[in-house]
Amino acid sequence: QVQLQQSGPGLVKPSQTLSLTCAISGDSVSTKSASWNWIRQSPSRGFEWLGKAYYRSKWYIEYAPSVKSRMTLKPDTSKNQLSLQLDSVTDEDTAVYYCVRLIGEGVLDIWGQGTLVTVSS
Amino acid sequence: DIQMTQSPSSLSASVGDRITITCRASQSISNHLNWFQQKPGKAPELLIYTVSTLQSGVPSRFSGSGSGTEFTLTISSLQLEDFGTYFCQQSHTAPHTFGQGTKVETK
Repeated sequence: QVQLQQSGPGLVKPSQTLSLTCAISGDSVSTKSASWNWIRQSPSRGFEWLGKAYYRSKWYIEYAPSVKSRMTLKPDTSKNQLSLQLDSVTDEDTAVYYCVRLIGEGVLDIWGQGTLVTVSS
Repeated sequence: DIQMTQSPSSLSASVGDRITITCRASQSISNHLNWFQQKPGKAPELLIYTVSTLQSGVPSRFSGSGSGTEFTLTISSLQLEDFGTYFCQQSHTAPHTFGQGTKVETK
């Protein structure tokens, strides 16, 4: 079955870069029938979609306007994973980050285990 | 962005109770409405998609209905493993927004 295994540090200093990786098993990051999303959840803001990557004969990557200027998603077909980098973090970036598969008409069917990232000095 | 509003924000119920959670969208989302269950410290799990289709493995005591702007999630006979927080989410218009959640607790 499809599983998403997230990895990355849980503590990041203000102004530094948050880096997370989502390793995919049971599916391919370059499948043409899904997209791979990052969503975060915090008590103050609820769920916030951050961005997605998907392959349809070429790679497409989309970002939420709120993070577009400082976020980078990189699919890695050799390792079958998707990485997230978020630059210049502030305490407002403290949240649980999820890697999520989206299929069909917007169905978020498989979630990673979540990574609590705290921005603090 | 489309706003999703759930009610109630929390409820207390007993095993065996029938419960209903309502989700309202700020504009029509047709049938693009999904429901998730989340337990403390865990990732959300998909329960129902496109209003009423149960995800594989989800018990038949869960059901969903509605269209347009108003939707409901019903649990016909609450079980111990059903306690947790439930979220609705619209997948009609990007960004796909979530409700604020309904926490189901034991009475």
